[in-house]
Amino acid sequence: EIVLTQSPGTLSLSPGERATLSCRASQSFSSSTYLAWYQQKPGQAPRLLIYGTFSRAAGIPDRFSGSGSGTDFTLTISRLEPEDFAVYYCQEYDDSPPYSFGQGTKLEI
Amino acid sequence: QVQLQQSGPGLVKPSQTLSLTCAISGDSVSSNSAIWNWIRQSPSRGLEWLGRTYYRSKWYNDSAVSVKSRISINPDTSKNQFSLQLISVTPEDTAVYYCARGGAGYNSGRFDPWGQGTLVTVSS
Repeated sequence: EIVLTQSPGTLSLSPGERATLSCRASQSFSSSTYLAWYQQKPGQAPRLLIYGTFSRAAGIPDRFSGSGSGTDFTLTISRLEPEDFAVYYCQEYDDSPPYSFGQGTKLEI
Repeated sequence: QVQLQQSGPGLVKPSQTLSLTCAISGDSVSSNSAIWNWIRQSPSRGLEWLGRTYYRSKWYNDSAVSVKSRISINPDTSKNQFSLQLISVTPEDTAVYYCARGGAGYNSGRFDPWGQGTLVTVSS
């Protein structure tokens, strides 16, 4: 089972700044393994932001972008808006379970 | 637009059975291009995938090793919903439980959307 480690644990930035969140996998992804990113605000369920490492989910603003390969993946938020301050999780998946999540990065003002 | 609405008790006694239901709108529990999952979240375990059910000419189920002997996930086609049952619960099963839709093929682990979540506390 793949273990995902996110860094930093907490990221303190201001609106308008650029955020770079990291997700490192314990083993290199195969060609059929993918990475997703979710955003979670207090009292809410996680919301899918990025899937297939690079693709934005429906309705997600283009200031969110995903990149990476092998064992190192990144979620970038180009210019932070006030509503972007939340906890972000990465998750690995392929066509069969189990599916692993990272422990999360809290993005705070 | 697919929406998932969860229901079920928020308090369960130790050794008893946790039961939750996830009602689906905008899709079908019998869809050949969807997979129906349960995921939980706790401070100690983080986000933990528990199991899934799906229909591909017949019904299939998978579950996490950590709960395999205690979990049951069942579809209800008459009500277009699916349920989670977790037997012999302990305080370690205290968590927020979510249902979520997965896609077909390599998208099966891509969870979108999620239900609203149900905080289940295991306590006497």
